[in-house]
Amino acid sequence: EVQLLESGGGLVQPGGSLRLSCAASGFTFSNYAMSWVRQAPGKGLEWVSGVSGSGGSTYYADSVKGRFTISRDNSKNTLYLQMNSLRADDTAVYYCAKDFSGTNSCVVYWGQGTLVTVSS
Amino acid sequence: QLVLTQSPSASASLGASVKLTCTLSSGHSSYAIAWHQQQPEKGPRYLMQVNSDGSHNKGDGIPDRFSGSRSGAERYLTISSLQSDDEADYYCQTWGTGIQVFGGGTKLSVL
Repeated sequence: EVQLLESGGGLVQPGGSLRLSCAASGFTFSNYAMSWVRQAPGKGLEWVSGVSGSGGSTYYADSVKGRFTISRDNSKNTLYLQMNSLRADDTAVYYCAKDFSGTNSCVVYWGQGTLVTVSS
Repeated sequence: QLVLTQSPSASASLGASVKLTCTLSSGHSSYAIAWHQQQPEKGPRYLMQVNSDGSHNKGDGIPDRFSGSRSGAERYLTISSLQSDDEADYYCQTWGTGIQVFGGGTKLSVL
């Protein structure tokens, strides 16, 4: 059974940093691309970033480019999202997601989400 | 620019069928899409992928009441024999080189 367990969310001040983690199990982690998708309160889903199965290719939404960094440790079956220069409009539930294939594709499994609140 | 357009809301009666639409932007009519369901106060769940040839790959445990289809730039999710817990937000998603895109979502009310 595929399981994705996010951690690292919390309250942070504007301009601050936070690192999200996602522990994956139930599948061969290195064979699949992974993504982060967020949902601001009362809003729809927004793709944030993706990384290929090997970790060699990374992708970012324009809204986070230059501030967020996605990475993965295939030896630990863990996905990360380093978030710097956080702004109020980054406040959202952040979902870790498993993609359909080893390269950028659609999400086929979702984690339960972790809430990030950016506020002074 | 790769964009997905969905109607904000839809409604149908208990036991009836409903067809939700997701429209791909101009120049992207051959793209595959995926459908996701988000019930109130829950995380999203993958329903299926609808490929450019109309074939689809369903997620684990998704009942036969849910089906996907396509016509030109439009992609459809049909839900038959509507149940109360089908009341949810439905999002379509597509992807291209280095990008993924979600539609704005359709809020389905089951009357």
